[in-house]
Amino acid sequence: NAGVTQTPKFQVLKTGQSMTLQCAQDMNHNSMYWYRQDPGMGLRLIYYSASEGTTDKGEVPNGYNVSRLNKREFSLRLESAAPSQTSVYFCASSELAQYFGPGTRLLVL
Amino acid sequence: QKEVEQDPGPLSVPEGAIVSLNCTYSNSAFQYFMWYRQYSRKGPELLMYTYSSGNKEDGRFTAQVDKSSKYISLFIRDSQPSDSATYLCAMSESSNSGYALNFGKGTSLLVTP
Repeated sequence: NAGVTQTPKFQVLKTGQSMTLQCAQDMNHNSMYWYRQDPGMGLRLIYYSASEGTTDKGEVPNGYNVSRLNKREFSLRLESAAPSQTSVYFCASSELAQYFGPGTRLLVL
Repeated sequence: QKEVEQDPGPLSVPEGAIVSLNCTYSNSAFQYFMWYRQYSRKGPELLMYTYSSGNKEDGRFTAQVDKSSKYISLFIRDSQPSDSATYLCAMSESSNSGYALNFGKGTSLLVTP
């Protein structure tokens, strides 16, 4: 039982490049979330999916898109990366409390 | 004003001490309260999950909620160097699918041998 897994663990991008962060959970949870964590800012919600087939914006959605591929998988896409998107990205899933993945560290140069 | 306030610390205590970590909040509709532990370069790990007011104990950890004061606490007894981490409080109005969690910014704890 792996819980929430994220790939890649670390990525370096140049400004303007695109990439997709992958997230999968094996806990049969309905809801999934994407957060970013920055020093002094705490955890901020980017997008969430309350159930398969639905997605909604969180606090900081600009510059991101998401896809709930199926009940297990929820991906986050950066279409044109900017240095302001340098951050640590966490995926989470929940029925009651939220359970987090190990994170993806993204550096945009 | 942020909905959830948490002193960032750092808080440094000797091994064996009792640690008290706290959060205050402004939204009286919050009913579900959580504490997460986050080690450096790792994801947040759920420690405690409580509903409404009262205490909940799990081993060396006790979570306390005082809704009348809008104040929650996490107590760690017999603290160990392995407890050194950042502790995040989180709370929400609902437990329904897709609920939004409101996080504190975290308190950094260092337990020295």
